[in-house]
Amino acid sequence: GAVVSQHPSRVICKSGTSVKIECRSLDFQATTMFWYRQFPKKSLMLMATSNEGSKATYEQGVEKDKFLINHASLTLSTLTVTSAHPEDSSFYICSARRLAGSTDTQYFGPGTRLTVL
Amino acid sequence: QKEVEQNSGPLSVPEGAIASLNCTYSDRGSQSFFWYRQYSGKSPELIMFIYSNGDKEDGRFTAQLNKASQYVSLLIRDSQPSDSATYLCAVNAGGGNKLTFGTGTQLKVEL
Repeated sequence: GAVVSQHPSRVICKSGTSVKIECRSLDFQATTMFWYRQFPKKSLMLMATSNEGSKATYEQGVEKDKFLINHASLTLSTLTVTSAHPEDSSFYICSARRLAGSTDTQYFGPGTRLTVL
Repeated sequence: QKEVEQNSGPLSVPEGAIASLNCTYSDRGSQSFFWYRQYSGKSPELIMFIYSNGDKEDGRFTAQLNKASQYVSLLIRDSQPSDSATYLCAVNAGGGNKLTFGTGTQLKVEL
């Protein structure tokens, strides 16, 4: 399978600070990456679609000014949680879309666990 | 009606048995179907995808798709305790690039 990395794996920050999470596709190019959030024992919630070289597409109810997404290259997308608050504490997971011949699949990074104090 | 439905479980099977996980979806235009495995505290891992009606086998895993009935299933043969996880069904509805996930079925393989 394809390899997607995320950094950091875990972060603890104070309320009001900003946190940047990186998502990299290591062995394939991804024009599209996705950012999800998952609360304990809940399913994945898609936050936004990150498109290389263009603006991200946010899902309904997700504040684009709070969750800044940049997809500056074919292998890197970043999510910045601005002015983080305790309610932003969650497991953030990215995925990268891999197109190979007739197959179109998404591979997930290992996730970033954010705790806002 | 939810777009992708799964029984939350837990589904308990004895070691060595066949585990059968089911998923139904509402969008008839769905083209691609995926099964992900997620261990507690970890991110989802792609284990199978299927595009055409019928069965697709990969090792101990078999994905089954029936578009007329709008269901997709995952069979795990010779279940092992290491298979204990939550299995997420995902559907690429409407030809777009977004996946819609079910809430997952928790599988427990007991010794």
